[in-house]
Amino acid sequence: DTEVTQTPKHLVMGMTNKKSLKCEQHMGHRAMYWYKQKAKKPPELMFVYSYEKLSINESVPSRFSPECPNSSLLNLHLHALQPEDSALYLCASSRAISENEQFFGPGTRLTVL
Amino acid sequence: EDQVTQSPEALRLQEGESSSLNCSYTVSGLRGLFWYRQDPGKGPEFLFTLYSAGEEKEKERLKATLTKKESFLHITAPKPEDSATYLCAVQAQNSGYALNFGKGTSLLVTP
Repeated sequence: DTEVTQTPKHLVMGMTNKKSLKCEQHMGHRAMYWYKQKAKKPPELMFVYSYEKLSINESVPSRFSPECPNSSLLNLHLHALQPEDSALYLCASSRAISENEQFFGPGTRLTVL
Repeated sequence: EDQVTQSPEALRLQEGESSSLNCSYTVSGLRGLFWYRQDPGKGPEFLFTLYSAGEEKEKERLKATLTKKESFLHITAPKPEDSATYLCAVQAQNSGYALNFGKGTSLLVTP
Protein backbone atom coordinates (compact mmCIF):
# COMPACT_ATOMS: atom_id res chain seq x y z
CA ASP A 1 0.00 0.00 0.00
CA THR A 2 1.67 3.21 -1.17
CA GLU A 3 -1.18 5.59 -0.56
CA VAL A 4 -2.09 8.34 1.82
CA THR A 5 -5.87 8.49 2.16
CA GLN A 6 -7.94 11.39 3.46
CA THR A 7 -11.58 11.65 4.47
CA PRO A 8 -13.85 13.32 3.77
CA LYS A 9 -13.09 14.55 0.25
CA HIS A 10 -15.31 17.58 0.75
CA LEU A 11 -16.60 19.26 3.91
CA VAL A 12 -18.92 22.20 4.37
CA MET A 13 -19.28 23.54 7.88
CA GLY A 14 -20.64 26.54 9.73
CA MET A 15 -18.55 28.72 11.99
CA THR A 16 -20.02 27.12 15.12
CA ASN A 17 -19.55 23.51 14.03
CA LYS A 18 -16.99 21.00 15.23
CA LYS A 19 -15.65 18.60 12.63
CA SER A 20 -12.60 16.41 12.07
CA LEU A 21 -10.44 15.58 9.09
CA LYS A 22 -8.83 12.16 8.93
CA CYS A 23 -5.66 10.91 7.30
CA GLU A 24 -4.35 7.36 7.10
CA GLN A 25 -1.23 5.72 5.69
CA HIS A 26 -0.05 2.10 5.81
CA MET A 27 3.46 2.60 4.48
CA GLY A 28 5.07 2.35 7.91
CA HIS A 29 5.95 6.04 7.80
CA ARG A 30 6.69 7.61 11.18
CA ALA A 31 6.34 11.28 10.21
CA MET A 32 3.02 12.83 9.23
CA TYR A 33 2.18 16.37 8.19
CA TRP A 34 -0.78 18.70 7.77
CA TYR A 35 -0.64 21.39 5.09
CA LYS A 36 -3.13 24.08 4.09
CA GLN A 37 -3.40 25.15 0.47
CA LYS A 38 -5.40 28.13 -0.76
CA ALA A 39 -6.41 28.40 -4.42
CA LYS A 40 -3.49 29.01 -6.78
CA LYS A 41 -1.05 29.10 -3.85
CA PRO A 42 1.54 26.55 -2.74
CA PRO A 43 0.95 24.31 0.30
CA GLU A 44 1.76 25.84 3.69
CA LEU A 45 2.94 23.63 6.53
CA MET A 46 0.72 23.57 9.63
CA PHE A 47 1.88 20.67 11.82
CA VAL A 48 4.43 17.87 11.84
CA TYR A 49 4.22 14.69 13.90
CA SER A 50 7.18 12.43 14.44
CA TYR A 51 6.63 9.06 16.12
CA GLU A 52 3.14 10.19 17.16
CA LYS A 53 4.48 13.29 18.93
CA LEU A 54 3.93 16.84 17.76
CA SER A 55 7.25 18.08 16.47
CA ILE A 56 6.40 21.30 14.65
CA ASN A 57 3.47 23.71 15.03
CA GLU A 58 3.80 26.55 12.55
CA SER A 59 1.95 29.10 14.73
CA VAL A 60 -1.43 27.74 13.72
CA PRO A 61 -4.53 29.17 15.50
CA SER A 62 -5.93 27.02 18.29
CA ARG A 63 -9.17 26.47 16.37
CA PHE A 64 -7.11 23.81 14.54
CA SER A 65 -6.18 20.92 16.84
CA PRO A 66 -4.11 18.02 15.52
CA GLU A 67 -4.08 14.52 16.95
CA CYS A 68 -2.01 11.45 16.14
CA PRO A 69 -3.68 8.45 17.80
CA ASN A 70 -1.24 5.93 16.32
CA SER A 71 1.50 5.66 13.72
CA SER A 72 -0.97 5.24 10.84
CA LEU A 73 -3.55 7.87 11.67
CA LEU A 74 -3.56 11.63 11.81
CA ASN A 75 -6.58 13.77 12.63
CA LEU A 76 -7.23 17.48 12.42
CA HIS A 77 -10.01 18.69 14.70
CA LEU A 78 -11.75 21.86 13.62
CA HIS A 79 -13.76 24.21 15.84
CA ALA A 80 -15.09 27.74 15.43
CA LEU A 81 -13.47 28.20 12.04
CA GLN A 82 -13.64 31.37 9.98
CA PRO A 83 -14.57 31.68 6.29
CA GLU A 84 -10.93 32.49 5.50
CA ASP A 85 -10.03 28.98 6.70
CA SER A 86 -11.69 27.58 3.58
CA ALA A 87 -8.95 25.74 1.68
CA LEU A 88 -7.64 22.36 0.57
CA TYR A 89 -6.18 20.55 3.59
CA LEU A 90 -3.45 18.13 2.66
CA CYS A 91 -1.96 15.32 4.69
CA ALA A 92 1.49 13.95 3.89
CA SER A 93 3.80 11.31 5.31
CA SER A 94 7.47 10.39 5.11
CA ARG A 95 9.50 7.47 6.45
CA ALA A 96 10.89 9.67 9.18
CA ILE A 97 11.09 13.37 9.90
CA SER A 98 14.64 13.29 8.60
CA GLU A 99 13.56 11.60 5.37
CA ASN A 100 12.96 14.24 2.78
CA GLU A 101 10.45 12.63 0.44
CA GLN A 102 6.93 13.43 1.53
CA PHE A 103 3.97 11.68 -0.04
CA PHE A 104 0.69 13.55 -0.14
CA GLY A 105 -2.91 12.49 0.13
CA PRO A 106 -5.64 13.81 -2.20
CA GLY A 107 -6.75 16.44 0.29
CA THR A 108 -10.01 17.53 1.90
CA ARG A 109 -11.71 20.54 0.32
CA LEU A 110 -13.08 22.54 3.26
CA THR A 111 -15.65 25.30 2.92
CA VAL A 112 -16.57 27.38 5.98
CA LEU A 113 -19.83 29.29 5.70
CA GLU B 1 15.54 34.22 4.51
CA ASP B 2 15.01 31.13 2.36
CA GLN B 3 13.34 31.84 -0.98
CA VAL B 4 12.04 29.71 -3.83
CA THR B 5 11.04 31.35 -7.12
CA GLN B 6 9.55 29.45 -10.04
CA SER B 7 9.31 30.68 -13.60
CA PRO B 8 7.40 31.05 -15.74
CA GLU B 9 4.14 31.27 -13.79
CA ALA B 10 2.30 29.71 -16.71
CA LEU B 11 3.45 27.94 -19.84
CA ARG B 12 1.51 26.79 -22.86
CA LEU B 13 3.11 24.23 -25.17
CA GLN B 14 2.06 22.39 -28.26
CA GLU B 15 2.19 18.61 -27.99
CA GLY B 16 5.76 17.55 -28.76
CA GLU B 17 7.24 21.00 -28.06
CA SER B 18 10.01 20.52 -25.48
CA SER B 19 10.71 23.16 -22.83
CA SER B 20 12.09 23.76 -19.35
CA LEU B 21 10.69 25.03 -16.07
CA ASN B 22 12.96 26.93 -13.69
CA CYS B 23 13.22 26.91 -9.90
CA SER B 24 15.64 29.42 -8.36
CA TYR B 25 16.41 29.13 -4.69
CA THR B 26 18.34 30.77 -1.89
CA VAL B 27 18.74 28.73 1.26
CA SER B 28 21.26 28.60 4.04
CA GLY B 29 22.37 25.05 3.41
CA LEU B 30 20.32 22.86 1.08
CA ARG B 31 19.11 19.58 2.49
CA GLY B 32 17.16 18.69 -0.65
CA LEU B 33 15.19 20.07 -3.59
CA PHE B 34 11.94 18.42 -4.61
CA TRP B 35 9.71 18.49 -7.66
CA TYR B 36 6.02 17.69 -7.40
CA ARG B 37 3.21 17.59 -9.93
CA GLN B 38 -0.25 18.74 -8.83
CA ASP B 39 -3.48 18.28 -10.74
CA PRO B 40 -6.41 20.63 -9.94
CA GLY B 41 -8.09 19.80 -6.63
CA LYS B 42 -5.65 16.98 -5.85
CA GLY B 43 -2.64 16.51 -3.64
CA PRO B 44 0.90 16.97 -4.98
CA GLU B 45 2.43 13.88 -6.56
CA PHE B 46 6.11 13.34 -5.78
CA LEU B 47 8.40 13.35 -8.83
CA PHE B 48 12.07 13.85 -7.88
CA THR B 49 14.49 14.64 -5.08
CA LEU B 50 17.86 16.28 -5.83
CA TYR B 51 20.50 16.69 -3.16
CA SER B 52 23.64 18.14 -4.68
CA ALA B 53 24.76 20.30 -7.60
CA GLY B 54 25.28 18.31 -10.77
CA GLU B 55 22.70 15.69 -9.87
CA GLU B 56 20.16 14.69 -12.53
CA LYS B 57 17.09 12.45 -12.36
CA GLU B 58 14.77 11.23 -15.12
CA LYS B 59 11.30 9.79 -15.30
CA GLU B 60 9.59 9.21 -18.63
CA ARG B 61 9.48 12.61 -20.40
CA LEU B 62 10.76 14.54 -17.37
CA LYS B 63 14.34 15.28 -16.38
CA ALA B 64 15.34 17.32 -13.33
CA THR B 65 18.74 18.95 -12.89
CA LEU B 66 20.31 20.91 -10.05
CA THR B 67 22.95 23.62 -9.74
CA LYS B 68 23.98 25.61 -6.66
CA LYS B 69 21.37 28.27 -7.42
CA GLU B 70 18.61 26.67 -9.46
CA SER B 71 16.92 23.57 -10.72
CA PHE B 72 15.38 22.87 -14.10
CA LEU B 73 12.59 20.50 -14.97
CA HIS B 74 13.00 19.62 -18.63
CA ILE B 75 9.95 18.26 -20.42
CA THR B 76 10.73 16.40 -23.64
CA ALA B 77 8.00 15.97 -26.28
CA PRO B 78 5.18 16.69 -23.81
CA LYS B 79 1.72 15.19 -24.14
CA PRO B 80 -1.62 16.74 -23.08
CA GLU B 81 -1.63 14.49 -19.99
CA ASP B 82 1.47 16.33 -18.76
CA SER B 83 -0.73 19.39 -18.18
CA ALA B 84 -0.59 20.21 -14.46
CA THR B 85 0.99 22.60 -11.99
CA TYR B 86 4.61 21.73 -11.23
CA LEU B 87 5.79 22.67 -7.76
CA CYS B 88 9.37 23.03 -6.61
CA ALA B 89 10.18 22.83 -2.90
CA VAL B 90 13.39 23.13 -0.94
CA GLN B 91 14.31 21.84 2.46
CA ALA B 92 16.97 23.81 4.28
CA GLN B 93 19.27 22.35 6.87
CA ASN B 94 17.94 24.76 9.49
CA SER B 95 14.28 24.51 8.49
CA GLY B 96 13.15 21.89 10.95
CA TYR B 97 12.40 19.59 7.99
CA ALA B 98 9.70 21.89 6.57
CA LEU B 99 9.28 22.09 2.80
CA ASN B 100 9.40 25.63 1.40
CA PHE B 101 7.34 25.59 -1.79
CA GLY B 102 7.56 27.89 -4.77
CA LYS B 103 4.33 29.21 -6.29
CA GLY B 104 4.44 26.68 -9.10
CA THR B 105 4.36 26.70 -12.89
CA SER B 106 1.02 25.95 -14.51
CA LEU B 107 1.69 23.92 -17.66
CA LEU B 108 -0.87 23.45 -20.42
CA VAL B 109 -0.04 21.12 -23.30
CA THR B 110 -2.40 21.37 -26.25
CA PRO B 111 -2.87 18.68 -28.91
